[in-house]
Amino acid sequence: ETGVTQSPTHLIKTRGQQVTLRCSSQSGHNTVSWYQQALGQGPQFIFQYYREEENGRGNFPPRFSGLQFPNYSSELNVNALELDDSALYLCASSLGGRTANTGELFFGEGSRLTVL
Amino acid sequence: GESVGLHLPTLSVQEGDNSIINCAYSNSASDYFIWYKQESGKGPQFIIDIRSNMDKRQGQRVTVLLNKTVKHLSLQIAATQPGDSAVYFCAEIYDYKLSFGAGTTVTVRA
Repeated sequence: ETGVTQSPTHLIKTRGQQVTLRCSSQSGHNTVSWYQQALGQGPQFIFQYYREEENGRGNFPPRFSGLQFPNYSSELNVNALELDDSALYLCASSLGGRTANTGELFFGEGSRLTVL
Repeated sequence: GESVGLHLPTLSVQEGDNSIINCAYSNSASDYFIWYKQESGKGPQFIIDIRSNMDKRQGQRVTVLLNKTVKHLSLQIAATQPGDSAVYFCAEIYDYKLSFGAGTTVTVRA
């Protein structure tokens, strides 16, 4: 087990709704990254939070937003859901922030979102 | 069975044989590479990494090879076991962003 927990594990929403996904990082890790993994594809980087601030973003629209809290846990919010948002959303924690070229990200098991 | 040089989306391997999984990366400026294993219903799990100043690194039953000239990575698994059945992804890091390649689904035949 990685020590990274995500909730909920599965959820179903309809188009236009909003969703909040949650992640508790591994103890002591101050950096959280979020990834979207569509079925049969590799994870795609959404954004990264380091010490409560977004410090990097992938090619995702502004309706994907996030937060990181003082205890380093994090939320991913998606507004105005679209059918193509159906995917597994993965959270990964690490230590060191933007400058840390460590591949030892610890992934949670993901939240599977289905948009109908 | 082995695959050398060419990325294949699936790989079927006899238990006990060696496996080779190939990956092409996109950014010549990437300086750090990682292999991940993803089992069904789980998040990716770190296997082994390599920096761009190396061309080979060995772990327990795994070896990663890096050829920067042709932007190619490979993962070799020795004595493949049923527990090695999973999807394997290579990933590159450039400017803190981790970019995953296309995965290879490895199935181990008993």
